[in-house]
Amino acid sequence: GQQLNQSPQSMFIQEGEDVSMNCTSSSIFNTWLWYKQDPGEGPVLLIALYKAGELTSNGRLTAQFGITRKDSFLNISASIPSDVGIYFCAGLDTPLVFGKGTRLSVIA
Amino acid sequence: GAGVSQSPSNKVTEKGKDVELRCDPISGHTALYWYRQSLGQGLEFLIYFQGNSAPDKSGLPSDRFSAERTGGSVSTLTIQRTQQEDSAVYLCASSLTPHSSGRLSGNTIYFGEGSWLTVV
Repeated sequence: GQQLNQSPQSMFIQEGEDVSMNCTSSSIFNTWLWYKQDPGEGPVLLIALYKAGELTSNGRLTAQFGITRKDSFLNISASIPSDVGIYFCAGLDTPLVFGKGTRLSVIA
Repeated sequence: GAGVSQSPSNKVTEKGKDVELRCDPISGHTALYWYRQSLGQGLEFLIYFQGNSAPDKSGLPSDRFSAERTGGSVSTLTIQRTQQEDSAVYLCASSLTPHSSGRLSGNTIYFGEGSWLTVV
């Protein structure tokens, strides 16, 4: 089936640093989504991207939909301890196709 | 309810036993999804229900797995003769209408907190 390659798999950063993660696919998606999963919780939608080249922000989060429609990246600026969690990219299809996640740890 | 509700939240079972996991979607949501998340892995699609249509079972890993959705609302995922590799978090999600290309507003997919299954 379709697969998304997400990198890096894990990150350890200092509080206040910026974070960047990305997601690539062999298939084209018309919509890209980014989710965050806190420990013991289900994933929660952060940002949705609908148009190739689109750059969308949600507070300290910025995500871009790649021109080729086969990739997307997520940036987090000035990280804080509550940013800890697993970040998943997903390509919109029925069902959603998820990457394996980027596990973010923030060191205060 | 206010959100997607799953039960049990944690289940430890012996290898070979059957387990049932329950999902109560958000009221009025017609689409219901089951995903599996193994340790350190992404979300693996299992099965998808939409209204009265035949479910999409293409993600079920073996015939030991089955799911039903009664009355277009509550769903039960059943795993028969559990194996240790079945240990995972089983996540249920629902959306107002099935996902399709286009804006998600009003059509966001909401996840439950998951059922953590451990097979010993």
